[in-house]
Amino acid sequence: AQRVTQPEKLLSVFKGAPVELKCNYSYSGSPELFWYVQYSRQRLQLLLRHISRESIKGFTADLNKGETSFHLKKPFAQEEDSAMYYCALSGNSNSGYALNFGKGTSLLVTP
Amino acid sequence: DAGVIQSPRHEVTEMGQEVTLRCKPISGHDYLFWYRQTMMRGLELLIYFNNNVPIDDSGMPEDRFSAKMPNASFSTLKIQPSEPRDSAVYFCASRAGTGLGEQFFGPGTRLTVL
Repeated sequence: AQRVTQPEKLLSVFKGAPVELKCNYSYSGSPELFWYVQYSRQRLQLLLRHISRESIKGFTADLNKGETSFHLKKPFAQEEDSAMYYCALSGNSNSGYALNFGKGTSLLVTP
Repeated sequence: DAGVIQSPRHEVTEMGQEVTLRCKPISGHDYLFWYRQTMMRGLELLIYFNNNVPIDDSGMPEDRFSAKMPNASFSTLKIQPSEPRDSAVYFCASRAGTGLGEQFFGPGTRLTVL
């Protein structure tokens, strides 16, 4: 069965500090993972996907199949990074590639 | 394109009433998803459509919930009768094509059932 776990409901860091939002998954096939972000009063939007191996707004995430993890990292947090972050696992073609979300981590960056 | 549009943005109703949530996907997208977000369960997939046809409704919690997509530009999620435990934020998302196209989300409808 597919499962996405985000162990932290809330993460609070100071501006300029490194931040890591944890995500672990369980999936029998080859996983496709995403990070979505929801800023205050805005809709969910894609932050990054593992297949792109890109860095968006200074964030990166590496898929570690051995640890079944896809942690989101940023070396120097900014106040505008404060938001709700969701890790998501894509189903296969049988599910229309619907997303299976973790419960989210609220990141608060304080000055 | 204005993105995925949902209406209403907020809905407050009384237990037992019928509630209809609406979604307009991005033009040209052939997949449409309905998700529900609650504090307890997070974001859950309720149902998805491909080319206006419901493909998987296994996430729909009860027979009180129904969804339709009469054409490529409109979908509804209906709850009849509504119950307080249905209170949640309901998101609609759409995606183009096959493979891992990005899902674009609407702003959500916050439903409160008293």
